[in-house]
Amino acid sequence: GAVVSQHPSRVICKSGTSVKIECRSLDFQATTMFWYRQFPKQSLMLMATSNEGSKATYEQGVEKDKFLINHASLTLSTLTVTSAHPEDSSFYICSARDRGLGNTEAFFGQGTRLTVV
Amino acid sequence: AQSVAQPEDQVNVAEGNPLTVKCTYSVSGNPYLFWYVQYPNRGLQFLLKYITGDNLVKGSYGFEAEFNKSQTSFHLKKPSALVSDSALYFCAVRDYGGAGSYQLTFGKGTKLSVIP
Repeated sequence: GAVVSQHPSRVICKSGTSVKIECRSLDFQATTMFWYRQFPKQSLMLMATSNEGSKATYEQGVEKDKFLINHASLTLSTLTVTSAHPEDSSFYICSARDRGLGNTEAFFGQGTRLTVV
Repeated sequence: AQSVAQPEDQVNVAEGNPLTVKCTYSVSGNPYLFWYVQYPNRGLQFLLKYITGDNLVKGSYGFEAEFNKSQTSFHLKKPSALVSDSALYFCAVRDYGGAGSYQLTFGKGTKLSVIP
């Protein structure tokens, strides 16, 4: 199946700093990528949808100035958590849809565990 | 909006026994349904999907799911559970997103524990 690589898998940062998470589709072109946040023992919460070459669409309640998303190419989307606070600590997961597969299933990265201290 | 519900937070089953993880859906129109599995500190792995056709869908690792339109259900099943099947399972439905594309809406997840 298609592979989505997410990096880093784990990051610890200090409060007030910014952290960038990368999501790459390795063997397919992804016109649309999704960013999720997952709290412990809870489901995935969609944060935003990004389409290549255009601005991301954020879900209600997600601060777009805090969670900056860039989808500059068909194989790369980045999520930058700006001025991180301890409450931003969470598991972040990206997914991408292969436009060559009839726009059905999505493939997920391995996730990034962010800890803000 | 489309939605799925997973009524069980946790399912325990003995190794070798059949397992079922339940999912019901609420959609307008024809549903596109998915099952994903998540191991600790990992992303989601695709198991199977129902788009159209046979109601019994076969997927990865010996899993299958039965689409039941009258009961609006899409339960995940496996004839003989393995300890390695212990993980978090998510049911999902394709939904139309605000970005002009389709997105997945997930159930809250069911933790499966297979007891040796």
